[in-house]
Amino acid sequence: NAGVTQTPKFQVLKTGQSMTLQCAQDMNHNSMYWYRQDPGMGLRLIYYSASEGTTDKGEVPNGYNVSRLNKREFSLRLESAAPSQTSVYFCATKTKNSGLPEQFFGPGTRLTVL
Amino acid sequence: DAKTTQPPSMDCAEGRAANLPCNHSTISGNEYVYWYRQIHSQGPQYIIHGLKNNETNEMASLIITEDRKSSTLILPHATLRDTAVYYCIVGSGGSNYKLTFGKGTLLTVNP
Repeated sequence: NAGVTQTPKFQVLKTGQSMTLQCAQDMNHNSMYWYRQDPGMGLRLIYYSASEGTTDKGEVPNGYNVSRLNKREFSLRLESAAPSQTSVYFCATKTKNSGLPEQFFGPGTRLTVL
Repeated sequence: DAKTTQPPSMDCAEGRAANLPCNHSTISGNEYVYWYRQIHSQGPQYIIHGLKNNETNEMASLIITEDRKSSTLILPHATLRDTAVYYCIVGSGGSNYKLTFGKGTLLTVNP
């Protein structure tokens, strides 16, 4: 039972390159989220998916696209990376049971854009 | 979502209780108070949440004032492993609530 896994753990890109961050969960949770965390700051929501087949924008969606491939997987794509996207990216999941509010976070992907 | 105010940092001696305050004066009636913590660049970890009543679990206690404008997270016997950034978050419940993180409080537990 791995919980929430993210790949890769580290990535360095050049400005203009594209890449996809992968997130997978084995907890059978309906909701999945992508956050970014800049140095010394709290996390900010980029996109989320309430269920398979649905996605919605969060606080900072510009420059990103997402795909909820299936219930297990939620990917985040940077089409043309910019230095301002240098950050740590966290994926999180949550059960649809409103009585269980806990979000479970992955270990993060550390992305540097040169 | 209501905003929260937390001190940027606090110290606590190992074995003593750590009391982390949070102000949320604009909280609305259906909003919960959630606490998460983040240990050195790891993903955040849920601690506890509450609406009106005080709550306790195996990790911590949450004390919410009667007017709900502030709350305190209590770690009863802090250990070195409790050194982390603690986030107080206010938001609506429901099946798909979203978390809005501030900068949190860096709690340093000293030997």
